[in-house]
Amino acid sequence: EIVLTQSPGTLSVSPGEGATLYCRASESISSNLAWYQQRPGQAPRLLIYSTSTRATGIPARFSGTRSGTEFTLTISGLQSEDFGVYYCQQYNDRDGLTFGGGTKVEIK
Amino acid sequence: QVQLVQSGAEVKKPGASVKVSCKASGYTFNAFGITWVRQAPGQGLEWLGGINPKNGNTDYAQKLQGRVTMTTDTSTNTAYMELRSLRSDDTAIYYCARGMLSHCGGDCYFVSIFDSWGQGTLVTVSS
Repeated sequence: EIVLTQSPGTLSVSPGEGATLYCRASESISSNLAWYQQRPGQAPRLLIYSTSTRATGIPARFSGTRSGTEFTLTISGLQSEDFGVYYCQQYNDRDGLTFGGGTKVEIK
Repeated sequence: QVQLVQSGAEVKKPGASVKVSCKASGYTFNAFGITWVRQAPGQGLEWLGGINPKNGNTDYAQKLQGRVTMTTDTSTNTAYMELRSLRSDDTAIYYCARGMLSHCGGDCYFVSIFDSWGQGTLVTVSS
């Protein structure tokens, strides 16, 4: 099973600041990685897929990059609605899709 | 707009079965897959499996093999997830989600990227 390790566990950020979230895969997953946001009490929402493609309606302040097996989600100029938990998910292994453990982005 | 509406909360005893439904609207049902993901209280997301409504092909998480069955009814655009032999650690919110279909060779497609989600169904397993 491909393990995704997200860091940090919690990120405290002031509104208007930027945030960088990391997701490291235990083996190569090519660019087959997505990011989801989950606000408290809500279902997850797709933000980015194929490492860097924003989903429909996702603002440009969300961006994704890859370096080998390390993936990054960058949020520039955080707004109040951006606080929540972020999960990465790999879909390179069809027999075992997996999620990372999540990074909580909280208000500083 | 795309909508996935799930059935209501369930309380079950250990050893029982539960069947959760997910009614889709706002898109061509056969053009996308359906995946099921669960979230135990205070925990992260766990993929359970996916189904291609066009041909009924399924992929299941290995840890649930033999206990889970995913089906679709294309006449009503509804997906179902049945989990048997319930245990206390199956207590979770169960989500369905529409999924893009990724090609895996020949006629093979699997549900990969989850772009619209249902509201979730709380399943509680308790004696």
